[in-house]
Amino acid sequence: GESVGLHLPTLSVQEGDNSIINCAYSNSASDYFIWYKQESGKGPQFIIDIRSNMDKRQGQRVTVLLNKTVKHLSLQIAATQPGDSAVYFCAEKDGNTDKLIFGTGTRLQVFP
Amino acid sequence: NAGVMQNPRHLVRRRGQEARLRCSPMKGHSHVYWYRQLPEEGLKFMVYLQKENIIDESGMPKERFSAEFPKEGPSILRIQQVVRGDSAAYFCASSPGQQYGYTFGSGTRLTVV
Repeated sequence: GESVGLHLPTLSVQEGDNSIINCAYSNSASDYFIWYKQESGKGPQFIIDIRSNMDKRQGQRVTVLLNKTVKHLSLQIAATQPGDSAVYFCAEKDGNTDKLIFGTGTRLQVFP
Repeated sequence: NAGVMQNPRHLVRRRGQEARLRCSPMKGHSHVYWYRQLPEEGLKFMVYLQKENIIDESGMPKERFSAEFPKEGPSILRIQQVVRGDSAAYFCASSPGQQYGYTFGSGTRLTVV
Protein backbone atom coordinates (compact mmCIF):
# COMPACT_ATOMS: atom_id res chain seq x y z
CA GLY A 1 0.00 0.00 0.00
CA GLU A 2 0.94 3.63 -0.06
CA SER A 3 3.32 4.70 2.66
CA VAL A 4 5.47 7.51 3.88
CA GLY A 5 8.94 6.60 5.07
CA LEU A 6 12.03 8.27 6.46
CA HIS A 7 15.66 7.61 5.52
CA LEU A 8 17.28 8.15 8.94
CA PRO A 9 15.78 6.99 12.21
CA THR A 10 18.17 9.08 14.37
CA LEU A 11 20.01 12.29 13.59
CA SER A 12 22.59 13.76 15.95
CA VAL A 13 23.74 17.34 15.41
CA GLN A 14 25.79 19.86 17.30
CA GLU A 15 24.07 22.92 18.69
CA GLY A 16 24.25 25.74 16.17
CA ASP A 17 24.57 23.49 13.13
CA ASN A 18 21.87 23.07 10.52
CA SER A 19 19.74 19.91 10.51
CA ILE A 20 18.19 18.19 7.53
CA ILE A 21 15.53 15.54 8.00
CA ASN A 22 14.41 13.61 4.95
CA CYS A 23 11.23 11.84 4.02
CA ALA A 24 10.16 9.74 1.04
CA TYR A 25 6.57 9.31 0.02
CA SER A 26 5.04 6.99 -2.53
CA ASN A 27 1.50 8.25 -3.13
CA SER A 28 1.60 10.40 -6.25
CA ALA A 29 -1.93 11.61 -5.44
CA SER A 30 -0.75 13.33 -2.25
CA ASP A 31 -1.11 17.07 -2.55
CA TYR A 32 -0.48 18.34 0.96
CA PHE A 33 2.45 17.64 3.25
CA ILE A 34 3.09 18.55 6.86
CA TRP A 35 6.00 18.27 9.26
CA TYR A 36 5.22 17.65 12.91
CA LYS A 37 7.46 17.74 15.97
CA GLN A 38 6.71 15.45 18.89
CA GLU A 39 8.38 15.85 22.24
CA SER A 40 8.36 13.07 24.78
CA GLY A 41 4.94 12.60 26.35
CA LYS A 42 3.27 15.19 24.14
CA GLY A 43 1.13 15.27 21.06
CA PRO A 44 2.48 16.15 17.60
CA GLN A 45 3.00 19.86 17.08
CA PHE A 46 2.60 21.48 13.67
CA ILE A 47 5.83 22.93 12.30
CA ILE A 48 5.29 23.77 8.65
CA ASP A 49 3.27 22.61 5.68
CA ILE A 50 3.53 22.73 1.91
CA ARG A 51 1.13 22.08 -0.93
CA SER A 52 2.05 20.22 -4.06
CA ASN A 53 1.97 23.35 -6.22
CA MET A 54 5.05 24.62 -4.36
CA ASP A 55 8.59 23.30 -4.04
CA LYS A 56 9.81 25.38 -1.12
CA ARG A 57 8.33 27.09 1.89
CA GLN A 58 10.10 28.92 4.68
CA GLY A 59 9.14 29.58 8.25
CA GLN A 60 11.04 30.80 11.25
CA ARG A 61 14.32 28.84 11.21
CA VAL A 62 12.64 26.04 9.23
CA THR A 63 12.38 25.34 5.51
CA VAL A 64 10.49 22.56 3.79
CA LEU A 65 11.51 21.39 0.34
CA LEU A 66 9.32 19.27 -1.88
CA ASN A 67 10.63 17.35 -4.89
CA LYS A 68 7.66 15.77 -6.62
CA THR A 69 9.78 14.19 -9.32
CA VAL A 70 11.44 11.83 -6.84
CA LYS A 71 8.68 12.03 -4.22
CA HIS A 72 10.97 13.47 -1.59
CA LEU A 73 10.33 15.89 1.25
CA SER A 74 12.87 17.46 3.57
CA LEU A 75 12.84 19.65 6.65
CA GLN A 76 15.75 21.98 7.24
CA ILE A 77 16.28 23.51 10.66
CA ALA A 78 18.75 26.38 10.83
CA ALA A 79 20.98 26.94 13.88
CA THR A 80 19.66 23.88 15.70
CA GLN A 81 19.00 24.41 19.39
CA PRO A 82 18.64 21.98 22.31
CA GLY A 83 14.90 22.72 22.32
CA ASP A 84 14.71 21.23 18.83
CA SER A 85 15.44 17.76 20.22
CA ALA A 86 12.35 15.67 19.47
CA VAL A 87 10.96 13.15 17.01
CA TYR A 88 9.99 14.65 13.68
CA PHE A 89 7.29 13.17 11.49
CA CYS A 90 6.38 13.92 7.93
CA ALA A 91 2.79 13.35 6.94
CA GLU A 92 0.99 13.38 3.60
CA LYS A 93 -2.62 13.89 2.68
CA ASP A 94 -4.16 12.36 -0.40
CA GLY A 95 -6.34 14.83 -2.26
CA ASN A 96 -9.05 12.19 -2.55
CA THR A 97 -9.30 11.44 1.15
CA ASP A 98 -8.98 13.53 4.25
CA LYS A 99 -6.62 11.54 6.38
CA LEU A 100 -2.99 12.23 7.11
CA ILE A 101 -0.61 9.31 6.68
CA PHE A 102 2.42 9.53 8.95
CA GLY A 103 5.92 8.22 8.51
CA THR A 104 7.74 6.38 11.28
CA GLY A 105 9.67 9.42 12.50
CA THR A 106 13.25 10.65 12.88
CA ARG A 107 14.69 11.36 16.31
CA LEU A 108 16.76 14.55 16.36
CA GLN A 109 19.36 14.76 19.13
CA VAL A 110 21.13 18.05 19.71
CA PHE A 111 24.36 17.98 21.69
CA PRO A 112 26.37 20.96 22.98
CA ASN B 1 -8.73 29.00 22.54
CA ALA B 2 -7.93 25.98 24.66
CA GLY B 3 -6.83 23.78 21.76
CA VAL B 4 -7.76 20.12 21.41
CA MET B 5 -8.57 18.70 24.84
CA GLN B 6 -8.24 15.03 25.59
CA ASN B 7 -9.04 13.25 28.81
CA PRO B 8 -8.01 11.40 30.71
CA ARG B 9 -4.27 11.86 30.14
CA HIS B 10 -3.56 8.43 31.58
CA LEU B 11 -5.95 5.49 31.83
CA VAL B 12 -5.28 2.10 33.38
CA ARG B 13 -7.68 -0.74 32.69
CA ARG B 14 -7.67 -4.43 33.51
CA ARG B 15 -8.08 -6.91 30.72
CA GLY B 16 -11.75 -7.25 29.79
CA GLN B 17 -12.77 -3.79 31.00
CA GLU B 18 -13.96 -0.94 28.83
CA ALA B 19 -11.94 2.17 28.02
CA ARG B 20 -13.58 5.47 27.07
CA LEU B 21 -11.40 8.22 25.66
CA ARG B 22 -12.74 11.72 25.21
CA CYS B 23 -11.78 14.48 22.80
CA SER B 24 -13.07 18.03 22.57
CA PRO B 25 -11.98 19.67 19.30
CA MET B 26 -10.83 23.22 18.96
CA LYS B 27 -13.57 25.79 18.82
CA GLY B 28 -14.87 26.06 15.28
CA HIS B 29 -13.45 22.70 14.19
CA SER B 30 -16.01 20.19 12.97
CA HIS B 31 -13.61 17.45 11.79
CA VAL B 32 -12.18 15.00 14.32
CA TYR B 33 -9.58 12.29 13.77
CA TRP B 34 -8.31 9.55 16.06
CA TYR B 35 -4.82 8.07 15.80
CA ARG B 36 -3.01 5.36 17.74
CA GLN B 37 0.70 5.42 18.49
CA LEU B 38 2.80 2.56 19.81
CA PRO B 39 6.15 3.34 21.50
CA GLU B 40 8.85 4.39 19.04
CA GLU B 41 6.41 4.24 16.13
CA GLY B 42 4.46 6.68 14.00
CA LEU B 43 0.81 7.57 14.30
CA LYS B 44 -1.65 5.18 12.70
CA PHE B 45 -4.95 6.53 11.44
CA MET B 46 -8.03 5.00 13.05
CA VAL B 47 -11.16 7.01 12.26
CA TYR B 48 -12.37 10.33 10.88
CA LEU B 49 -15.64 11.84 12.06
CA GLN B 50 -17.72 14.90 11.53
CA LYS B 51 -20.63 15.86 13.72
CA GLU B 52 -22.89 12.80 14.05
CA ASN B 53 -21.21 11.06 11.11
CA ILE B 54 -18.37 8.59 10.67
CA ILE B 55 -16.63 9.57 7.44
CA ASP B 56 -13.79 7.04 7.33
CA GLU B 57 -13.21 4.19 9.79
CA SER B 58 -10.83 2.20 7.62
CA GLY B 59 -8.14 2.19 10.32
CA MET B 60 -10.33 1.01 13.12
CA PRO B 61 -10.38 -2.67 14.17
CA LYS B 62 -13.69 -4.24 13.25
CA GLU B 63 -14.34 -5.59 16.73
CA ARG B 64 -14.35 -3.95 20.16
CA PHE B 65 -13.58 -0.43 18.86
CA SER B 66 -16.16 2.24 18.19
CA ALA B 67 -16.18 6.01 17.85
CA GLU B 68 -18.78 8.73 17.91
CA PHE B 69 -18.97 12.49 17.62
CA PRO B 70 -22.42 13.52 18.82
CA LYS B 71 -24.14 16.78 18.04
CA GLU B 72 -23.43 17.95 21.56
CA GLY B 73 -20.39 17.02 23.57
CA PRO B 74 -16.97 15.53 22.89
CA SER B 75 -15.96 12.77 20.53
CA ILE B 76 -15.64 9.40 22.25
CA LEU B 77 -13.38 6.51 21.33
CA ARG B 78 -14.58 3.38 23.08
CA ILE B 79 -12.66 0.15 23.41
CA GLN B 80 -14.59 -2.77 24.82
CA GLN B 81 -13.03 -5.81 26.51
CA VAL B 82 -9.54 -4.35 26.37
CA VAL B 83 -6.52 -6.59 25.83
CA ARG B 84 -2.84 -5.90 26.51
CA GLY B 85 -2.27 -5.16 22.83
CA ASP B 86 -4.55 -2.13 23.13
CA SER B 87 -1.96 -0.41 25.32
CA ALA B 88 -0.84 2.66 23.38
CA ALA B 89 -1.13 6.41 23.17
CA TYR B 90 -4.33 7.54 21.50
CA PHE B 91 -4.29 10.98 19.92
CA CYS B 92 -7.19 13.05 18.76
CA ALA B 93 -6.85 15.83 16.22
CA SER B 94 -9.26 18.35 14.78
CA SER B 95 -9.41 20.61 11.76
CA PRO B 96 -11.83 23.17 10.34
CA GLY B 97 -12.00 21.38 6.98
CA GLN B 98 -10.38 19.20 4.39
CA GLN B 99 -7.95 21.78 3.07
CA TYR B 100 -6.31 22.37 6.43
CA GLY B 101 -3.83 20.63 8.66
CA TYR B 102 -4.66 19.03 11.97
CA THR B 103 -4.19 20.26 15.51
CA PHE B 104 -3.45 17.45 17.91
CA GLY B 105 -4.31 17.00 21.54
CA SER B 106 -1.86 15.76 24.16
CA GLY B 107 -3.16 12.20 23.95
CA THR B 108 -4.49 9.55 26.28
CA ARG B 109 -2.03 6.89 27.35
CA LEU B 110 -3.89 3.64 27.86
CA THR B 111 -2.27 0.88 29.84
CA VAL B 112 -3.96 -2.50 30.05
CA VAL B 113 -2.84 -4.65 32.97
